[in-house]
Amino acid sequence: GQQLNQSPQSMFIQEGEDVSMNCTSSSIFNTWLWYKQDPGEGPVLLIALYKAGELTSNGRLTAQFGTTRKDSFLNISASIPSDVGIYFCAGAGQGAQKLVFGQGTRLTINP
Amino acid sequence: TAGITQAPTSQILAAGRSMTLRCTQDMRHNAMYWYRQDLGLGLRLIHYSNTAGTTGKGEVPDGYSVSRANTDDFPLTLASAVPSQTSVYFCASSGDRGYGYTFGSGTRLTVV
Repeated sequence: GQQLNQSPQSMFIQEGEDVSMNCTSSSIFNTWLWYKQDPGEGPVLLIALYKAGELTSNGRLTAQFGTTRKDSFLNISASIPSDVGIYFCAGAGQGAQKLVFGQGTRLTINP
Repeated sequence: TAGITQAPTSQILAAGRSMTLRCTQDMRHNAMYWYRQDLGLGLRLIHYSNTAGTTGKGEVPDGYSVSRANTDDFPLTLASAVPSQTSVYFCASSGDRGYGYTFGSGTRLTVV
């Protein structure tokens, strides 16, 4: 089945730093999504991407749908304490009925 | 507020006992899903339902069963719990195929 590899698994950064994480797939995806999970909560959708090459921003977050359609990137600029959490990528291939999720990137921010 | 409600929030369960995790949504979404979240493994799909009256197996279905009698409810049942089923369980729903899942707040289950 389709698999997603998300990296890094964890990040420890200083407040104010920029953050980058990525996801790669073994097959072509038509949809990429990025979720954030706060402690004790379920994941919440941050950004959805539907077209190869698409670059979409949501405040300090920017995500890109890779041109090969096998990868996606999420960047967070000028990190703040509330950015702490687990970030998941998710994708769906052509005709897929269900999303496939990456393993998650745990972000920790030192004030 | 529209969304997904999961119950209970947490549970400690003796091995061999059965339990049903409840999930209710009020968004009239056709598709619903059950995931388990384990450290280092991300979210793994247990079972899903594309519409009321239908269900399907996900990546890790063994030891779990589901039913979808109506659009709103999608309970997950553990017939005879084992310690490896200790996990955080998330229910989700979507209105479009494969896009924009809405998640519940999760049920933390410990099997001892």
